[in-house]
Amino acid sequence: ETGVTQSPTHLIKTRGQQVTLRCSSQSGHNTVSWYQQALGQGPQFIFQYYREEENGRGNFPPRFSGLQFPNYSSELNVNALELDDSALYLCASSSPSGSPYNEQFFGPGTRLTVL
Amino acid sequence: KNEVEQSPQNLTAQEGEFITINCSYSVGISALHWLQQHPGGGIVSLFMLSSGKKKHGRLIATINIQEKHSSLHITASHPRDSAVYICAVRGNFGNEKLTFGTGTRLTIIP
Repeated sequence: ETGVTQSPTHLIKTRGQQVTLRCSSQSGHNTVSWYQQALGQGPQFIFQYYREEENGRGNFPPRFSGLQFPNYSSELNVNALELDDSALYLCASSSPSGSPYNEQFFGPGTRLTVL
Repeated sequence: KNEVEQSPQNLTAQEGEFITINCSYSVGISALHWLQQHPGGGIVSLFMLSSGKKKHGRLIATINIQEKHSSLHITASHPRDSAVYICAVRGNFGNEKLTFGTGTRLTIIP
């Protein structure tokens, strides 16, 4: 059983650019959640995908968008990057909602720096 | 006021000491998670609980649903336990996002 993986591990972009972060969910998990963690803060929920559909969204602007693919891997896209987007982006996968086993398992994160 | 509050924010202790980290929340939840985050960012799930108590090795987690409070205990603490410990709560069915506390930075001195 493979765990949650994310790529890339580190990324440096400049203001106004666009970025795509990727996440492969744990085997058997069809739900993926994305979180943003600014330095010294707890993670903040961005959105969740369940069976390729957005299933809940936090307080993030529309320039944060996502996708989930048939194999349940997921992408987080951020357009028009701002300096405040610099953060650790975490992906977590879980099994179907309502399951007693739907604990979230986290990937190692992608550290994004916007200059 | 944050929905999830942790205390203390920082904790330094000597190796061998018994450690307690507290978490209080103000919303209805379906489960509470205790997570460990080491420098570099990776998060490891320690416990997920919705009632009672769980134990894994030197770690014990308890939750009191009526009081909306949970504690994470570490017995016989060791320098390798040094990390940030984060409490996160999952909403009720239909709102299952995780809401995180800001974490407790634990440093164990040899």
